[in-house]
Amino acid sequence: NAGVTQTPKFQVLKTGQSMTLQCAQDMNHNSMYWYRQDPGMGLRLIYYSASEGTTDKGEVPNGYNVSRLNKREFSLRLESAAPSQTSVYFCASSDSWREIDTQYFGPGTRLTVL
Amino acid sequence: AQSVTQLGSHVSVSEGALVLLRCNYSSSVPPYLFWYVQYPNQGLQLLLKYTSAATLVKGINGFEAEFKKSETSFHLTKPSAHMRDAAEYFCAVSGGNSGNTPLVFGKGTRLSVIA
Repeated sequence: NAGVTQTPKFQVLKTGQSMTLQCAQDMNHNSMYWYRQDPGMGLRLIYYSASEGTTDKGEVPNGYNVSRLNKREFSLRLESAAPSQTSVYFCASSDSWREIDTQYFGPGTRLTVL
Repeated sequence: AQSVTQLGSHVSVSEGALVLLRCNYSSSVPPYLFWYVQYPNQGLQLLLKYTSAATLVKGINGFEAEFKKSETSFHLTKPSAHMRDAAEYFCAVSGGNSGNTPLVFGKGTRLSVIA
């Protein structure tokens, strides 16, 4: 199993550009999450999807949109990138029916907005 | 609402010394607690978790943590540090019993190991 995969690994954008971060998991998990990691801030939840067909806002949703495309895939879109969105983005998945609230993380996407 | 406080953003120990990383939580319901490790330029990896079974939890790489309800703590320890333990460590809490609950993470503690 590949676990949780994320593409791209690195991206540089100019202010105002848009892009979509892709995430896929092959563990048949029901829930998926997007976090951003900034120095000294830990991980902050952007959006999550408790199950296919549902999405909910997390702590820092402004400037982002998400799509739960199917059970495997959960994408994060930046419509108009801003320098404040420079960060490392992590996707995670979990299945609480098997392992309560235990999340498995992808390798991350390093995004720089100039 | 749940929250986590990790005391010390940076901890430095000598190789072979005791590792102690502190985590205190706040939760209005019985919590589930987690420790994750992040090696440089990698994602987070689960070290161990407490899910209301034994209060002393053993994890990978020789780490363990003890859940103390009276102190609202879940400190991470390892008897003897190794150079490969140098990483960032995150404590996290979830609501427990509700399923599919997002985790709330602490700000992290960077562990340095000195030869």
